Amino acid sequence: AQSVAQPEDQVNVAEGNPLTVKCTYSVSGNPYLFWYVQYPNRGLQFLLKYITGDNLVKGSYGFEAEFNKSQTSFHLKKPSALVSDSALYFCAVRGNQAGTALIFGKGTTLSVSS
Amino acid sequence: GAVVSQHPSRVICKSGTSVKIECRSLDFQATTMFWYRQFPKKSLMLMATSNEGSKATYEQGVEKDKFLINHASLTLSTLTVTSAHPEDSSFYICSAILAYQETQYFGPGTRLLVL
Repeated sequence: AQSVAQPEDQVNVAEGNPLTVKCTYSVSGNPYLFWYVQYPNRGLQFLLKYITGDNLVKGSYGFEAEFNKSQTSFHLKKPSALVSDSALYFCAVRGNQAGTALIFGKGTTLSVSS
Repeated sequence: GAVVSQHPSRVICKSGTSVKIECRSLDFQATTMFWYRQFPKKSLMLMATSNEGSKATYEQGVEKDKFLINHASLTLSTLTVTSAHPEDSSFYICSAILAYQETQYFGPGTRLLVL
């Protein structure tokens, strides 16, 4: 069975500093990995995904994520955080079968202070 | 990117009534839609998978007679909460997939409050 772990409930960073939101996964077969962001009382916005290819994936709003197969991790990163990045971030995984639902981590609240 | 809408965005109803939530893919045809439920500051819990023209597949523990799902067309899926009770109050989010694509696109969510 697929699963995703986000070990941190909250990450606090100062504006301008780099940020990392951690995610580890467990799947059978090749993983399909995703990051989504959710602002208060809103739906989820797609940030980026890893299906195959380069381990470093670049996404929306300056975010990127690094796929590490040996550590089964897919951490979300941004070189310089903005106050507007403050939101709830979800890592998700999908198995090999197309058209199946995503399995979400519990979410990590990112708080960027000015 | 692909756009998914939900209607209504917020609904308040009395206990015992039924509420219908619509999920529409605005600029693409979605062969599959998903319905999630989210509690405050919690993750998304998959309720059911909805395929156009066929019966929805419900996750374990989700009452199919209480949460009726209809996927009548490639752009519309509906979730009806029947005989709603206060414990059904939650944030309901749908998502949709383009055929043969990988990315799910999410609607803005519907806040349901049952009094």
